[in-house]
Amino acid sequence: SQQGEEDPQALSIQEGENATMNCSYKTSINNLQWYRQNSGRGLVHLILIRSNEREKHSGRLRVTLDTSKKSSSLLITASRAADTASYFCATDFGSARQLTFGSGTQLTVLP
Amino acid sequence: DTEVTQTPKHLVMGMTNKKSLKCEQHMGHRAMYWYKQKAKKPPELMFVYSYEKLSINESVPSRFSPECPNSSLLNLHLHALQPEDSALYLCASSQTVGRTQETQYFGPGTRLLVL
Repeated sequence: SQQGEEDPQALSIQEGENATMNCSYKTSINNLQWYRQNSGRGLVHLILIRSNEREKHSGRLRVTLDTSKKSSSLLITASRAADTASYFCATDFGSARQLTFGSGTQLTVLP
Repeated sequence: DTEVTQTPKHLVMGMTNKKSLKCEQHMGHRAMYWYKQKAKKPPELMFVYSYEKLSINESVPSRFSPECPNSSLLNLHLHALQPEDSALYLCASSQTVGRTQETQYFGPGTRLLVL
């Protein structure tokens, strides 16, 4: 079963705007990762945040983690058309030794 | 080399066919994974290999048979599939399968259509 739920399911913005996606999960985690998937292709790892971290940056990406609310957000600043993709959060929890992916957000950036 | 390769890119097969999907990585990773992904859905884990041994099988039907011949290669043998098995099959690898999951590197996938 899915550990993570993401919202919104779909997001459409203009180039240059910021995009925020949220992920909520059910159980305590070891870490949370964000991946991007272009249409029909493999997933690309974006960023990993550990359970003892609250915020992490990578280029135009900013990820926050609130373990008390069991939620994470991914912010993409100054979006570009090339950012159009599906974005998935993935959690590593307990001793599962595996990643469980959230439902995903489809981001469309209009030129 | 941070690439995971998968062949073939596309595969069309009948329900009585036997085919294999192949995955290769040369990053020295000792954990490899098979995922199944239906359209507009997240990837679902099928199998995990750790140090060439099957460590997780997520109750996948026996018509899917994984094989890990060595630390760089992962195969998925397909036999007597059903139309509902049509999906994107993704291979991934990570350094190890330890107490906490590390970054996974994904291949581009094999788009499978079962007629």
